[in-house]
Amino acid sequence: AQSVTQLGSHVSVSEGALVLLRCNYSSSVPPYLFWYVQYPNQGLQLLLKYTTGATLVKGINGFEAEFKKSETSFHLTKPSAHMSDAAEYFCAVTRYSSASKIIFGSGTRLSIRP
Amino acid sequence: DVKVTQSSRYLVKRTGEKVFLECVQDMDHENMFWYRQDPGLGLRLIYFSYDVKMKEKGDIPEGYSVSREKKERFSLILESASTNQTSMYLCASSLMTSYNEQFFGPGTRLTVL
Repeated sequence: AQSVTQLGSHVSVSEGALVLLRCNYSSSVPPYLFWYVQYPNQGLQLLLKYTTGATLVKGINGFEAEFKKSETSFHLTKPSAHMSDAAEYFCAVTRYSSASKIIFGSGTRLSIRP
Repeated sequence: DVKVTQSSRYLVKRTGEKVFLECVQDMDHENMFWYRQDPGLGLRLIYFSYDVKMKEKGDIPEGYSVSREKKERFSLILESASTNQTSMYLCASSLMTSYNEQFFGPGTRLTVL
């Protein structure tokens, strides 16, 4: 069965430090992968997505993610954390039974220390 | 600005009550979704609709039903609310074409007493 695993339910970094949020997936077919962000008291919004082509994907707010097929990973990074990055982040993968539907990981809450 | 709106941000109901959660999108999207979000479990799909009057069960449909009479509106119904349905409910919509971004509403936090 398809699944998404996010390592670490809570990650804390200092302002200005590197942000690394880990995501591994399982899929028997080429996946389409997403990162969504949820700010406090809001719905989710798309940060970035990988469908085909270049494996390094750039998103909004300085985030990027790299699709590594050999490692079945799609980790999210940002070189320098900002206080406004504090939020919950969800990795997701399309279902091969229906490309309109996606499976979400359990989420990683990112905290930023001043 | 694209928008998905949900009828209530917070809702408190009693066990056994019938509960309606409404979602409206203004983007002319074909697909609409209902999820519930619980800590440590991420988002789980309850129901999906790909057209008016068309629906598919998601991963956790038990205890829920849905209605889509108009393209822009997708309702989630709890026929007889129970305490284990206390959760955050998120509605989303997307275009029919594959792999498209889902746009989310702000969520309804439902408490069943």
